[in-house]
Amino acid sequence: EIVLTQSPGTLSLSPGERATLSCRASQSVTSTSLAWYQQKPGQAPRLLIYGASSRATAIPDRFSGSGSGTDFTLTISRLEPEDFAVYYCHHYSTSTRTFGQGTKVEI
Amino acid sequence: EVQLVESGGGLVQPGGSLRLSCAASGFTFGSYVMTWVRRAPGKGLEWVSTISNGGGRTYYADSVKGRFTMSRDNSKNTLILQMRSLRAEDTAVYYCARDGYDGSGYYADYWGQGTLVTVSS
Repeated sequence: EIVLTQSPGTLSLSPGERATLSCRASQSVTSTSLAWYQQKPGQAPRLLIYGASSRATAIPDRFSGSGSGTDFTLTISRLEPEDFAVYYCHHYSTSTRTFGQGTKVEI
Repeated sequence: EVQLVESGGGLVQPGGSLRLSCAASGFTFGSYVMTWVRRAPGKGLEWVSTISNGGGRTYYADSVKGRFTMSRDNSKNTLILQMRSLRAEDTAVYYCARDGYDGSGYYADYWGQGTLVTVSS
C-alpha cells in the first residue's frame, strides 16, 4: 500500500500570499493517479485536482497541481479568504486508495 | 445537478450493526463507480469501499474487510453500506461519493454531506 505523507502539517499565511503544499508517496505513483481535495469544517470534501495536474470543474485557476513519481505539489498562487481549509492529497488505483494526513492552511 | 444524500447514521453499541444509505440524483447512477469515505473525529479522510457501476465488483479497506458490505440498487439510485461488528474506531462521518475517471483510475469527484456514525456503549 502506498503511504502519502503531506508537509507541512500546518501552513500559516495571509490572504494574497502563495501556498505550496507537498505530498510525498512511499513508492512511485503510476499514471499520475493523484488527486487533491479541500475540506472546510462541517463540509464535504471538494475535488480540486485529479491526474496530478488537471483542475476539476469550476475550480479557479489559482489552484494548480504538479509532480510525478513520488513528489507532488499543490500550489495556491494567491490565497483568498475562502481558501483557508484543510487539504488532502489522494492516491487512487483499481483496488485501493489512500489519503495523506492533511495540511491545514490557516490565517 | 449531482446530489448525494446519506442517511442511516446514529449511535450504536460496540459489536452492533448499522446500514447506511445514499440516495443519488442528477446523473445516470448506474453508469458510475461509487465509493464510501469516512473521517473520524480529529483525523483525516480514510477510504472505506468502492463498488463497480454494475455492482459486480467491490473493494474494501483492510480495516473494514469482512465486516462491511457495499452494495447498490441501480433501479432505485441507491447505494448501501452494511456495517457489522462495529468498533469504537469506526466512529466517523461517512461520505458517499461518485467516482470520475481520468483514463488511469477512478477518483471521487462529487461527495454527499455525510452521515455520522458513533460507536459507543
